[in-house]
Amino acid sequence: EIVMTQSPDTLSVSPGERATLSCRASQSVSSNLAWYQQKPGQAPRLLIHGASTRATGIPARFSGSGSGTEFTLTISSLHSEDFAVYYCQQYNNWPPYTFGQGTKLEIK
Amino acid sequence: EVQVVESGGGLVQPGGSLRLSCAASGFTFSSHEMNWVRQAPGKGLEWVSYISSSGTTIYYADSVKGRFTISRDNAKNSLYLQMNSLRAEDTAVYYCAREPVTGTGYDYWGQGTLVTVSS
Repeated sequence: EIVMTQSPDTLSVSPGERATLSCRASQSVSSNLAWYQQKPGQAPRLLIHGASTRATGIPARFSGSGSGTEFTLTISSLHSEDFAVYYCQQYNNWPPYTFGQGTKLEIK
Repeated sequence: EVQVVESGGGLVQPGGSLRLSCAASGFTFSSHEMNWVRQAPGKGLEWVSYISSSGTTIYYADSVKGRFTISRDNAKNSLYLQMNSLRAEDTAVYYCAREPVTGTGYDYWGQGTLVTVSS
C-alpha cells in the first residue's frame, strides 16, 4: 500500500499571501495524484488531477506540480474562502486508493 | 447538473447492519466507476470501496473486507453499500464519489450520510 504523507499538518498564512502545501508518496505514483479541498461540513472538492491539471471551475490561483514521489499544491494569493483542509490522493497503484492525512490551512 | 445524493445513514448498534444508497442524476451513470469514501469524526478521508461501471470489478479496503458489499443498479442510477457486522470504528460520514471517465480522481461527491455505531 502506498502511504501519502502531507506537510505541514497546519499552515498559518495571511490573506493575500502565497501558500505551499506538500505531499509525499512512499513510492512513485507517476503523475497520478489529485488534490482536494474540504471546508467544514462540506464534501471534498476536486481541485487538481494529474498532479497539475486544474479541475473544471477551479481558479487559476491554484496550481499543482511534481511527479514521482514529491508533489506541491500552491495557492498564489490566498482568498478568505481558501482557508480549509487540503488532501492529496494517489490513484496510480490501487487498490487501495490512498489519501494523505490532510493539511489544515488557517488564517494567520 | 450532476448530482449524487446519499441516504440510509443512522444510528445502529454494534454488530448491526445498514444499507446506504446513492442516487445519481445529471450524467450517464452506467459510464462511470463509483466509490464510497468515509470520514470519521474529526479525521481524514478513507477510501472504502470501488465498483466498475458495469459492476463486474469490485475492490474493498482491508478494514471492511468481508463485512461490506458494494453494488449498483445502472437501470436505477443507484449505488449501494451494504454494511454488516458494524463496529464502533465504522462510525463516519460516508460519501459516494464519482470517477470521471478518465479515472483521474473523484470529480463529484455527495453531501454524505452519517453512520453512527453505538450501543
